[in-house]
Amino acid sequence: QVHLVESGGGVVQPGRSLRLSCAASGFTFSSYGMHWVRQAPGKGLEWMAVIWYDGSKKYYADAVKGRFTISRDNSKNMLYLQMNSLRAEETAVYYCARYGPEKGIDYWGQGTLVTVSS
Amino acid sequence: QTVVTQEPSFSVSPGGTVTLTCGLTSGSVSTDYYPSWYQQTPGQAPRTLMYNTNTRSSGVPDRFSGSILGNKAALTITGAQADDESDYYCVLFMGGGIWVFGGGTKLTVL
Repeated sequence: QVHLVESGGGVVQPGRSLRLSCAASGFTFSSYGMHWVRQAPGKGLEWMAVIWYDGSKKYYADAVKGRFTISRDNSKNMLYLQMNSLRAEETAVYYCARYGPEKGIDYWGQGTLVTVSS
Repeated sequence: QTVVTQEPSFSVSPGGTVTLTCGLTSGSVSTDYYPSWYQQTPGQAPRTLMYNTNTRSSGVPDRFSGSILGNKAALTITGAQADDESDYYCVLFMGGGIWVFGGGTKLTVL
């Protein structure tokens, strides 16, 4: 059974950094790409970043390019999102999700809340 | 910048049929965009319904179907049930490793 568990959320001041983690289990992590998707309170889903199964390729939404870095450690079945220069409007629940078949997203974690506030 | 569009809200009667759409502010949606659909209830993580236009995710009932209608991707729910009342999101693969979500449709069953 696929299981994705995010951690690392919390309250952070504007301009500061935070690193999110996603622990994966129940599947061969090293065979799948992974996404980060966020959702601001009361708002819709926003795709942020994807990393290829082997970490060889990484792509970002314009909104976070240059400030956020997606990475993975296949030996630990872990996905990460390093977030720098955070802004108040980036307060959101951050989800990790598995890159599924045919360019879909098939499994989602439960999310971790990041609050950017002074 | 191209934006992915969805109806902000829709309502359907129990037992009825509703079609939600996913379009582009510039251009047409085709299978080349690999449209996929997700259902989300308040406070919960999204649930995958459909990927690559019309392939149902595991466990999704065949009341849910996907297609291309005209210049948009479409999600049709037949025999709507009370627990179909949710937010529905589409996402399009824009190429170059980039995905973009639509703004979501709030579906009311009443």
